[in-house]
Amino acid sequence: GDSVTQMEGPVTLSEEAFLTINCTYTATGYPSLFWYVQYPGEGLQLLLKATKADDKGSNKGFEATYRKETTSFHLEKGSVQVSDSAVYFCALCDTGFQKLVFGTGTRLLVSP
Amino acid sequence: SQTIHQWPATLVQPVGSPLSLECTVEGTSNPNLYWYRQAAGRGLQLLFYSVGIGQISSEVPQNLSASRPQDRQFILSSKKLLLSDSGFYLCAWSVLTGGAKGNTEAFFGQGTRLTVV
Repeated sequence: GDSVTQMEGPVTLSEEAFLTINCTYTATGYPSLFWYVQYPGEGLQLLLKATKADDKGSNKGFEATYRKETTSFHLEKGSVQVSDSAVYFCALCDTGFQKLVFGTGTRLLVSP
Repeated sequence: SQTIHQWPATLVQPVGSPLSLECTVEGTSNPNLYWYRQAAGRGLQLLFYSVGIGQISSEVPQNLSASRPQDRQFILSSKKLLLSDSGFYLCAWSVLTGGAKGNTEAFFGQGTRLTVV
């Protein structure tokens, strides 16, 4: 079945460091791909998305490119801030837009 | 605007007791609805999803069940809770937002912290 695999955390970085959180997926067809973020004490919210191969989603300085050849959707940010500390979830939605499947989440800790 | 209500926020139940968690969505029609469980170290586990009234797909065999009696109401139930049912339960909804391929986005409730004792 459809699945998402994320790198294990926590990822610990200093402020202004470069961030990469890896995400790979397994799916039939052409799923849509998402990154969700959960800040401490808050619910999940959409960070960015991409619906077809080579699309790049971006928001708040974060970027991810839909790579069909490597079935990946890695999250990147050039310079992280303390306020980016949160849990990040990679997700996919199947071609029929029915089932939304999440990865296990990666905790990011940014220190000043 | 659309909103999602999930209650209760916290719940402590004894082993063997029944469970009913309710989720309602406002401001949209015919949404896809989802129940997830978030456990430490295990991320978000999809339990059930529904694409319409009375249509329930189960992802994980267990002693939980789900029902959708109305278009914007999704209920998670159990007849007899187990200790392993403890966790954080999240309801979510999504709809296609247009485009040739569609552009669905999911919106989450605030969750219910269930502790089975």
